[in-house]
Amino acid sequence: DARVTQTPRHKVTEMGQEVTMRCQPILGHNTVFWYRQTMMQGLELLAYFRNRAPLDDSGMPKDRFSAEMPDATLATLKIQPSEPRDSAVYFCASGPDYSNQPQHFGDGTRLSIL
Amino acid sequence: KQEVTQIPAALSVPEGENLVLNCSFTDSAIYNLQWFRQDPGKGLTSLLLIQSSQREQTSGRLNASLDKSSGRSTLYIAASQPGDSATYLCAVRPIKAAGNKLTFGGGTRVLVKP
Repeated sequence: DARVTQTPRHKVTEMGQEVTMRCQPILGHNTVFWYRQTMMQGLELLAYFRNRAPLDDSGMPKDRFSAEMPDATLATLKIQPSEPRDSAVYFCASGPDYSNQPQHFGDGTRLSIL
Repeated sequence: KQEVTQIPAALSVPEGENLVLNCSFTDSAIYNLQWFRQDPGKGLTSLLLIQSSQREQTSGRLNASLDKSSGRSTLYIAASQPGDSATYLCAVRPIKAAGNKLTFGGGTRVLVKP
């Protein structure tokens, strides 16, 4: 079965360090999403790409977060500088651009900022 | 702004009992509603997707209903098994949202006791 692959699965780093999370969407999916999940806020959409172009990043703190799709097989989410409040699980999802098709999620990156 | 609510937040049932999970949303202008399952340390797995024109969808022991006018969906899991223990999330795709964005509920954590 095709899967969304995220790396790394776990990341522990100190406050102030740069963090880069990577996602390989399912081949043929032209929409890619980044979500953040915390106990307090649940699942929040951070950024959304269609055909590699950013369509919506209104949920993302612009001063420290950035999301890109250098090519169709790679999406990245960077945090610089990282802060303890960024600790969460970050999920990438991909899907075809049709309303009758579900999104497919990766297993996430569990991020801890000390 | 679309809001999605799932009550209760947690549910515990003995094995064999039918599960009934509730989801409510504030704006009936949606393209579809999806139910997802999330296991600990994992991403979300799509279970069922109901288009706004549909009243229900079925897959094996799972049945999801949609009453768009009242802003409600219910996920039924027949003859629950310990392997059904997980967190179940519902999400709607609002018509007013750009692209294939989803708005998630907070989830219901289910424990099926042997």
